[in-house]
Parts: sequence; structure tokens; C-alpha cells
Amino acid sequence: AQSVSQHNHHVILSEAASLELGCNYSYGGTVNLFWYVQYPGQHLQLLLKYFSGDPLVKGIKGFEAEFIKSKFSFNLRKPSVQWSDTAEYFCAVTAQAGTALIFGKGTTLSVSS
Amino acid sequence: DTAVSQTPKYLVTQMGNDKSIKCEQNLGHDTMYWYKQDSKKFLKIMFSYNNKELIINETVPNRFSPKSPDKAHLNLHINSLELGDSAVYFCASSQVSGGADEQFFGPGTRLTVL
Repeated sequence: AQSVSQHNHHVILSEAASLELGCNYSYGGTVNLFWYVQYPGQHLQLLLKYFSGDPLVKGIKGFEAEFIKSKFSFNLRKPSVQWSDTAEYFCAVTAQAGTALIFGKGTTLSVSS
Repeated sequence: DTAVSQTPKYLVTQMGNDKSIKCEQNLGHDTMYWYKQDSKKFLKIMFSYNNKELIINETVPNRFSPKSPDKAHLNLHINSLELGDSAVYFCASSQVSGGADEQFFGPGTRLTVL
């Protein structure tokens, strides 16, 4: 069965610091990979996705992620965080389009101004 | 226009009651989902429908019954509510195109069982 691991449970940063959130998945075949963000009290919004092609994907709000197939990883990065990035971040995977997302347990990001 | 909408946004009820949550999407998608987010914010799939047909039915108590009257709607009915059903329930929809899809989520329904 597929699973997703997010290594960082809670990350605390100051504004302008760089961010990297780890995500590893377990599945041997082709996968579709996603990062979602959930701002306090709000619904999930897609930050970025990887289906195929360039393993470095750029998303909204200055986020990017790199797919490293050999490491089964899809880490999220942002060079300079802002207070407004305070949120819950979820990595997710599907093995096939039209199937359910398998989520990691999420990482809480707290950014202090 | 809201792409995926859910009603109600908040639902507070007593144990043993029966309640329903409604979901509608105006994106023209073929597939709809229900996810449950527990108190630790862990998200897990409950059901998935494609063109009104049940595709995924995870290990969910049979007190939970999804119904899809048409492909734009997926409702969730819960019988005999229990304390452990307290959670946020998210509806989502997607459309497969070129072997890939993206799921769009509704605003969530926070269910509190007292």
C-alpha cells in the first residue's frame, strides 16, 4: 500500500528564512505528487503538482518542489518565507489519476515576523 | 463562483442523531470524493464516486452512506452519530485529463458530536 511520510511535524521560522519541508512516499510505480496548503480555518489549496517532465516544479506564492525518483522524495522549498505562509502543509500522492489522494500527516509551519 | 461548495459549514449535534452533509461542484468534473480530517489534522479518503458510481469505499462504518443523485452532487449521510465522528469532512472533485487530474476541495464541514 502507498504511504507518505512528512518528516517535520512542526517547523518554526523567522520571516525571510528559507524553508524546506521533506516528503517521502512509498510506491514503486509511477506516481502523481502534490503539495497542498491549509491556512488556519480554511480548506485545502493546491500549491503545486508533479505528473511528469521537469522534476523541478514551480507553484504558487513562490513555492517549488523537486521530485527525486531515486529517493522517492518530493520536498517543498521556498527561499524566503513570509508571516502569511503560516499554515499546515500536506504532501499527497496518487498512483493513478481519478483515485484518492494519500496524504502525509502534515507539517505545521509557524512564521514569526 | 464557488467551485466546490458544502453545506452546512458547521454542524453540532447530539450522539445518536442522524445528519447529512451536502456537496456540490460546478466544475463539470466526473469524480467526487469525501475525506475526513481528524483532530490531529490527518486526512483520509472515505468514498469516491465517478459518474454517480461508487468507486472507493474505504473501511468506514456502514453508518456512513454516500449518495450521488447526479455527477455534480455527492452527499454524505451519517446515522447514529458517535463522539468519534467529530471531525472536519471535506468534499473534493476532479476530472481526469491526459492521465492526470487535480482535486479541488470544498471549504469543509466541521462536525461536532456532543
